[in-house]
Amino acid sequence: NAGVTQTPKFQVLKTGQSMTLQCAQDMNHNSMYWYRQDPGMGLRLIYYSASEGTTDKGEVPNGYNVSRLNKREFSLRLESAAPSQTSVYFCASSLDISGNTIYFGEGSWLTVV
Amino acid sequence: AQKITQTQPGMFVQEKEAVTLDCTYDTSDPSYGLFWYKQPSSGEMIFLIYQGSYDQQNATEGRYSLNFQKARKSANLVISASQLGDSAMYFCAMRERVTGANSKLTFGKGITLSVRP
Repeated sequence: NAGVTQTPKFQVLKTGQSMTLQCAQDMNHNSMYWYRQDPGMGLRLIYYSASEGTTDKGEVPNGYNVSRLNKREFSLRLESAAPSQTSVYFCASSLDISGNTIYFGEGSWLTVV
Repeated sequence: AQKITQTQPGMFVQEKEAVTLDCTYDTSDPSYGLFWYKQPSSGEMIFLIYQGSYDQQNATEGRYSLNFQKARKSANLVISASQLGDSAMYFCAMRERVTGANSKLTFGKGITLSVRP
């Protein structure tokens, strides 16, 4: 059972470089999310996609872009990485409002130097 | 305004005792869901328990139970018979309707639980 798969798991970037975090789910979920987790801050929502074809900003969208490529895939792009974007990134997916379980990927550790 | 509030500092509990982790929430959506997740030092997010806003009974999953007090907007997690492996960060989260049948999930800042032998 794959669930939510995100890649890469670890990445080191230089300031100004760009990269894309990939996320895919095989559960036919409508909604997908990208979170970042920083020490003492909990998980903060970057962007979400309520359904295929739609994306919306979360709490901390600056410096990021997303693409809901299809129902399965939701990618997060850093166009010009900054040290403040050093964090652990989690992708998640959920069914619609009647769903009672949110599934998370294993996380991606990103360091910007 | 914060949607999910977890204000307890690091919590400590003796092995085999029960512990309550607090969570309060704020929403105007009448149909919402509340979740608790565990994050051990290895980093993954582990789903523990779910409570729907219309559920009549408090949710239970093994040693985990959710003390849901709707009028007070609180959803506290109770862990009975604590084990050393329960030492972790615990997050409360709320799912609210966004549009139609789609939803958004918001997390609290988390509580660190340490179980003492």
